[in-house]
Amino acid sequence: LAKTTQPISMDSYEGQEVNITCSHNNIATNDYITWYQQFPSQGPRFIIQGYKTKVTNEVASLFIPADRKSSTLSLPRVSLSDTAVYYCLVGKAAGNKLTFGGGTRVLVKP
Amino acid sequence: SQTIHQWPATLVQPVGSPLSLECTVEGTSNPNLYWYRQAAGRGLQLLFYSVGIGQISSEVPQNLSASRPQDRQFILSSKKLLLSDSGFYLCAWSVIWDEQYFGPGTRLTVT
Repeated sequence: LAKTTQPISMDSYEGQEVNITCSHNNIATNDYITWYQQFPSQGPRFIIQGYKTKVTNEVASLFIPADRKSSTLSLPRVSLSDTAVYYCLVGKAAGNKLTFGGGTRVLVKP
Repeated sequence: SQTIHQWPATLVQPVGSPLSLECTVEGTSNPNLYWYRQAAGRGLQLLFYSVGIGQISSEVPQNLSASRPQDRQFILSSKKLLLSDSGFYLCAWSVIWDEQYFGPGTRLTVT
């Protein structure tokens, strides 16, 4: 299983862009990169998933360089409600074991 | 649309007592099902996953067990709880690549 490394915490301010980088040096050829968001006392919620280059949805963008050894989740113009823990996961098809690391605790300040 | 239910929402149990947490999924068939535990301020630890009725894979040796008596029902059990079993228990389901949908969770406090 590819292990992921991400910063423990990040602070930001309302309206700013937040970029969280995740390292996954041992990513396998058929692994996808997935990001989840978790609020206190709730289950994680899927944000975005990608395999290579760039993926964008209504919530975030995911940038993946050619070597796929890292990825960056970009949250544009964050608000206070984006304060949460963000997890980076690397894995294959559903049913395979996924490892949630400690995540990155993002605090958005007014 | 698909929904996932967990109960109870909160539970306080004494050490040595049994445990039964239930998870059900609606609106999908043959989902993969997962049980996670999250200690306070920590990440999620995968405990069990199931790809079908009666098929359970255990990730961590412990005093917990899981069962899947029906396609969309997943049960987490223990015969005797330990203090270290306290935590936030999350059930999740998935069908496609890595996108897991989580339930509301059960906060268990073992006293």
